[in-house]
Amino acid sequence: KAGVTQTPRYLIKTRGQQVTLSCSPISGHRSVSWYQQTPGQGLQFLFEYFSETQRNKGNFPGRFSGRQFSNSRSEMNVSTLELGDSALYLCASSRQLPGTANEKLFFGSGTQLSVL
Amino acid sequence: DQQVKQNSPSLSVQEGRISILNCDYTNSMFDYFLWYKKYPAEGPTFLISISSIKDKNEDGRFTVFLNKSAKHLSLHIVPSQPGDSAVYFCAASVSSGTYKYIFGTGTRLKVLA
Repeated sequence: KAGVTQTPRYLIKTRGQQVTLSCSPISGHRSVSWYQQTPGQGLQFLFEYFSETQRNKGNFPGRFSGRQFSNSRSEMNVSTLELGDSALYLCASSRQLPGTANEKLFFGSGTQLSVL
Repeated sequence: DQQVKQNSPSLSVQEGRISILNCDYTNSMFDYFLWYKKYPAEGPTFLISISSIKDKNEDGRFTVFLNKSAKHLSLHIVPSQPGDSAVYFCAASVSSGTYKYIFGTGTRLKVLA
């Protein structure tokens, strides 16, 4: 069974540009969550989608947005990039809603975004 | 406000000895906890979980202990192996429906051969 696939693996952008990251969950998984990892900050929750609906959102500015398609694939978009957006963006899928007992996240390898 | 804290950024242990990684949380509503391991250039992988109805869960060399009154959990690895060298994250959730995990900042474990 294929794991969570994130594309691209690496991305270099300049300030002010926008970027779209893609995530394909494990087959049969209906939930996709996005996290931002920066040194010293751990994994910060961005948002979670289940059946094309955003169920929860983290404390990030409106420049960060996402969506989920009917095949459970998800994209996240960051507009007007800032230097501080440089980070590893991780996508994770789960069979059902995450955070519930006995449910766990399966992570992709991430997209490393560098903003110059 | 960091609701899940891993106060030790790094830990070094000799091969064969016990590794103890600690995690503290502030939200008393958290009732489901997980540990993940992360190697460089890879996504985190699930290790072990524990529900708040238990105070211990074992899986092979890995044991997680939960002390609800102290809002503290720990991961014990016995015996430690060089392949265990990685960053370890604890995560917590409110299982009744916040649909997210709150992760700690991670502890980098180095197992010395």
